[in-house]
Amino acid sequence: QKEVEQDPGPLSVPEGAIVSLNCTYSNSAFQYFMWYRQYSRKGPELLMYTYSSGNKEDGRFTAQVDKSSKYISLFIRDSQPSDSATYLCAFMDSNYQLIWGAGTKLIIKP
Amino acid sequence: EPEVTQTPSHQVTQMGQEVILRCVPISNHLYFYWYRQILGQKVEFLVSFYNNEISEKSEIFDDQFSVERPDGSNFTLKIRSTKLEDSAMYFCASSFIGTSQPQHFGDGTRLSIL
Repeated sequence: QKEVEQDPGPLSVPEGAIVSLNCTYSNSAFQYFMWYRQYSRKGPELLMYTYSSGNKEDGRFTAQVDKSSKYISLFIRDSQPSDSATYLCAFMDSNYQLIWGAGTKLIIKP
Repeated sequence: EPEVTQTPSHQVTQMGQEVILRCVPISNHLYFYWYRQILGQKVEFLVSFYNNEISEKSEIFDDQFSVERPDGSNFTLKIRSTKLEDSAMYFCASSFIGTSQPQHFGDGTRLSIL
């Protein structure tokens, strides 16, 4: 079983839709959970950072962590064409290294 | 907003040559990292650096690689005797106090080995 699983997509949705992106993981030692956004030819940009189960909201973005089921989600409300990017989940292990998902390519159609 | 900057954006090098990738972390950050992303693959951790020494390194970071903070602002990754398989995007990141803090990334250097 892979340590982190993330559907690579692409995921194509119409503008204004709610987007749900997900990652599952197997390592119970993961302590911190992150979502990054990466535009083409750019570095990963931190969107959400959390360490506890539950929801964390920031504007149109909500991060959800379920440690018991070992999955995390990112919800994007009122999606915009500018949200089109690759979304990467990342997990910090006990050595403080980031373990990454493969990234989901999201396309928001105007 | 403060950002991590990396130079050059694209580096083309002949196989067997040495290459130095440069990074300027966010000014008040104390932890520095290098990651790489081979085309079509996941981002992979290479090394973390704190207080002028390596904190952690992955299996990828062998004797071919070295890191240095030559002055108060730059953080470099040196790759000796480059190989074709070293072709990748190399990302530098930095974080504030404590390695549990979120890491902020530069836009990367695309390294092409010919």
